Amino acid sequence: DAKTTQPPSMDCAEGRAANLPCNHSTISGNEYVYWYRQIHSQGPQYIIHGLKNNETNEMASLIITEDRKSSTLILPHATLRDTAVYYCIVRALYNYGQNFVFGPGTRLSVLP
Amino acid sequence: DAGVTQSPTHLIKTRGQQVTLRCSPKSGHDTVSWYQQALGQGPQFIFQYYEEEERQRGNFPDRFSGHQFPNYSSELNVNALLLGDSALYLCASSAPTSGRYQETQYFGPGTRLLVL
Repeated sequence: DAKTTQPPSMDCAEGRAANLPCNHSTISGNEYVYWYRQIHSQGPQYIIHGLKNNETNEMASLIITEDRKSSTLILPHATLRDTAVYYCIVRALYNYGQNFVFGPGTRLSVLP
Repeated sequence: DAGVTQSPTHLIKTRGQQVTLRCSPKSGHDTVSWYQQALGQGPQFIFQYYEEEERQRGNFPDRFSGHQFPNYSSELNVNALLLGDSALYLCASSAPTSGRYQETQYFGPGTRLLVL
């Protein structure tokens, strides 16, 4: 079973920031938080991952709470092309052979 | 730099037949994982190959088998197809070497299999 809880769906206005929450209250000390997204009928796309510090790349920012029990993925200026299912996954980085366990994710709809 | 590639993109088979799906990993990657994604659900892990050996397996029957070649490409074989095998089959590659992005998996576009 997935170790994360996400809202099933969210809407966001185009050009505004999209903030996608994820709860992972049972996360272990060696587990990272990964985010992937899947645009309709395509393979999942890696977005970002982090351990305890906030992370930012060209796609998004990841904010992890101090107790690491929840996190938020931020798309700073959402576009229509960001409409997708977003998956939050926790996984130990050096856990060879342990693969990603996907939950149902959050379906983000960016509205014009 | 080519990403993960999969072939074919679409496939139609009938019950009882056998199917082979192919995957070429991202350049520099030596580990390949396979996932099955039924309509409306998240991907489910089938198995992972590293150094031409199956390293871990998810909860899938023996009808699902695989192979990895010396060039790190991989095949997924499904025997005695059932209607319930209809799904998007995803291949993901990773590179378990040193570095922060170790074991981050990069997915291919998938092969959509329809079993009639």
